Amino acid sequence: ETGVTQSPTHLIKTRGQQVTLRCSSQSGHNTVSWYQQALGQGPQFIFQYYREEENGRGNFPPRFSGLQFPNYSSELNVNALELDDSALYLCASSFFGGRTEAFFGQGTRLTVV
Amino acid sequence: DQQVKQNSPSLSVQEGRISILNCDYTNSMFDYFLWYKKYPAEGPTFLISISSIKDKNEDGRFTVFLNKSAKHLSLHIVPSQPGDSAVYFCAASEGNTDKLIFGTGTRLQVFP
Repeated sequence: ETGVTQSPTHLIKTRGQQVTLRCSSQSGHNTVSWYQQALGQGPQFIFQYYREEENGRGNFPPRFSGLQFPNYSSELNVNALELDDSALYLCASSFFGGRTEAFFGQGTRLTVV
Repeated sequence: DQQVKQNSPSLSVQEGRISILNCDYTNSMFDYFLWYKKYPAEGPTFLISISSIKDKNEDGRFTVFLNKSAKHLSLHIVPSQPGDSAVYFCAASEGNTDKLIFGTGTRLQVFP
């Protein structure tokens, strides 16, 4: 049984650029959620994907977008990067509606300069 | 608006003693609560959960207590071990959504 893996682990981008982060979900899970964790804060829900469609969104602007693929892997895209986008981005996989714990990847540390 | 609050940013406990981490929430619609542990450079790791129909759930050294009337839950670790030193996050969700609302975390340090 494979766990949740994210790539890359670290990334440095310039303000205004675009970035794509990737996540492969745990075997048997069909839902992927993305979270942003700023320094000293708890993870903040960005959005969730189920059946390749967005299924719930937190308080993040449209320049945060995502995709889920038939194999349940997912991408998080952020356009027009701002300095405040610097954070740890976490991907979590779960079984939709299963009321079970979500399994997190190790995260991608994004630094915007 | 912080719906899940962990008011103690840090806690220091001697090895072998009990660690008690607290969490308060404001949304009465939350019906499922989880605790996660996070080491540096790793993602959060699930520890234990509790449904709102229960007031206690136990798993080995870890016990979570839920007081719905007070909108309060706590995590007890007995006995505490140095390997328990990490940041602990409380999280909550409502209905069938898997969207988790996290607290800001409590850094636990267990010293010998």
